[in-house]
Amino acid sequence: QVQLVESGGGLVKPGGSLRLSCAASGFIFSDHYMSWVRQAPGKGLECVAYISTSGSTIDYADSVKGRFTISRDNAKNSLYLQMNRLRVEDTAVYYCARGLWGSAAFDIWGLGTMVTVSS
Amino acid sequence: QSALTQPRSVSGSPGQSVTISCTGTNSDVAFYNYVSWFQQHPGKAPKLMIYDVSKRPSGVPDRFSGSKSGNTASLTISGLQAEDEADYYCCSYAGSYTYVFGSGTKVTVL
Repeated sequence: QVQLVESGGGLVKPGGSLRLSCAASGFIFSDHYMSWVRQAPGKGLECVAYISTSGSTIDYADSVKGRFTISRDNAKNSLYLQMNRLRVEDTAVYYCARGLWGSAAFDIWGLGTMVTVSS
Repeated sequence: QSALTQPRSVSGSPGQSVTISCTGTNSDVAFYNYVSWFQQHPGKAPKLMIYDVSKRPSGVPDRFSGSKSGNTASLTISGLQAEDEADYYCCSYAGSYTYVFGSGTKVTVL
């Protein structure tokens, strides 16, 4: 079945780095744009990074620009988020989300991976 | 980009209808017909309920409907059921591959 599975979350000190991965299955990964969406504890949703089907177009929220890097490997059906210079306010559940073909919406979400930034 | 404005909470009895508003700007909700709505139960991932303002994905009950007027979008849940109790978030495309979410609304079934 169509599925997204995130991994790579954990506890890291401020200023540290983490790399999140998202494994896709059950659909043609290269046909869909993808995003990372995060949710801080008790808070709302924030789209932090977007990548087009080929990876040629990338965009970031201002809150992470210059610190986070989104990438994808269509041969491995995988999406990544390299997070550097992490801050306490980056603490959140990070979701991998699939773009809906022909629209601007996210139709499939992973279960999320928790990132905690604390000293 | 500021979050879209939603009421903090709405409530209704089983069988009643509730409507959640989502107010944006001329740069997002008003400009694009790419408003979507998500349902999120505690500890779970968001689930797409409405996309392109008023379209329902396969499997979403027709009790859920969406609309838009100017810079305000709305989600209506008709025939409210106990399992509809959850948080609901709107989302709008805002151009240049950016998306803005709403602040979230807690729906309580009395």
